[in-house]
Amino acid sequence: SAVISQKPSRDICQRGTSLTIQCQVDSQVTMMFWYRQQPGQSLTLIATANQGSEATYESGFVIDKFPISRPNLTFSTLTVSNMSPEDSSIYLCSVLSNSGPQYFGPGTRLLVL
Amino acid sequence: AQSVTQLGSHVSVSEGALVLLRCNYSSSVPPYLFWYVQYPNQGLQLLLKYTTGATLVKGINGFEAEFKKSETSFHLTKPSAHMSDAAEYFCAVSDGNRDDKIIFGKGTRLHILP
Repeated sequence: SAVISQKPSRDICQRGTSLTIQCQVDSQVTMMFWYRQQPGQSLTLIATANQGSEATYESGFVIDKFPISRPNLTFSTLTVSNMSPEDSSIYLCSVLSNSGPQYFGPGTRLLVL
Repeated sequence: AQSVTQLGSHVSVSEGALVLLRCNYSSSVPPYLFWYVQYPNQGLQLLLKYTTGATLVKGINGFEAEFKKSETSFHLTKPSAHMSDAAEYFCAVSDGNRDDKIIFGKGTRLHILP
């Protein structure tokens, strides 16, 4: 199984600022994803991070709000831009290799004041 | 489109009792089905996964789930609950025979009573 780390593990941010979350995996993986888990809710897929090209966003999520980078096969970042209290969530990175299944990182707990 | 319904946002069982967490899905294609567990302040951990073949799937920590196509169900069970099983459990279905686009249910929080 893949070992995934996320930085930061948690943060408290002011309205209007941006936060970049890093996801690092210990092996090369085929696919990387970003999910959001709002308080008391399930996980919702934000986007698929594509290596060397623009991320593929799910309905309701846009690049201007959630820019994503994936410069190589083991690393990705998600930025939450111009934050509002509604962005307070847990953000999780997940990875998928050729043999499956998806493995999830520990999450980044974000509180926006 | 795929969807998942988990019956009961909270389930309480006594230590040593049977655990049953219900999950129903809808899918227009043969699904991949998953159960994930999330312990407090931790990420998600895969409990078990059904793709094809045997409909009774055994996972970690003594959990198992049975795929019943006729009932479109994938209920999670464990014969004897342990205090360490207290967590949030998510049932999920993939978007058409794939491991990538996973759609999650709303989750069921399992409470274990001493």
